[in-house]
Amino acid sequence: ETGVTQSPTHLIKTRGQQVTLRCSSQSGHNTVSWYQQALGQGPQFIFQYYREEENGRGNFPPRFSGLQFPNYSSELNVNALELDDSALYLCASSSKTGFTYEQYFGPGTRLTVT
Amino acid sequence: SQQGEEDPQALSIQEGENATMNCSYKTSINNLQWYRQNSGRGLVHLILIRSNEREKHSGRLRVTLDTSKKSSSLLITASRAADTASYFCATDARTSGSARQLTFGSGTQLTVLP
Repeated sequence: ETGVTQSPTHLIKTRGQQVTLRCSSQSGHNTVSWYQQALGQGPQFIFQYYREEENGRGNFPPRFSGLQFPNYSSELNVNALELDDSALYLCASSSKTGFTYEQYFGPGTRLTVT
Repeated sequence: SQQGEEDPQALSIQEGENATMNCSYKTSINNLQWYRQNSGRGLVHLILIRSNEREKHSGRLRVTLDTSKKSSSLLITASRAADTASYFCATDARTSGSARQLTFGSGTQLTVLP
């Protein structure tokens, strides 16, 4: 297992609500990336944070936003939830910005939107 | 969108046999990574191959990269029941003029029968 932790493990929300997911990166890692994985699909890159700044973003609308804190932990916020937001949300930490080095993934948060 | 596409989608073999999975991608890459995922859990990094490398080994894993054909293969030798999992390739590349991102394929589901 990696040293990356995520909370909560599971979450059920109603369409239109807002949700915050949390991630603690592996010790010594300053970069955190977030991914959305729909059932039966590969993960899709949402965005990456490095030194508390967004450092790259995938094809996700602005209602997906994030934060990184001075201790390198991170939050993913999703506003105005839609049914299609139901997925496994994964965070990954790395010792360097970009993707030249391996990503260490957490176990994920399973979000269900009803 | 998924840049990497794995082939086959599913593979079932007997313990002790070799398993080969292929990945094709569309754009120029900085590196290509292979990950493993057990049943909806977090991903585990297996191996990273840089764009100027052609082959890499790690234990029972062998990865090849052919940038002229935009393809990679993952070979698992002497498979074990514990190798049963989904395997994803992921490319580190710029897509659609955006910052670099890690783009995953849809995965190969490997089942190793005891």
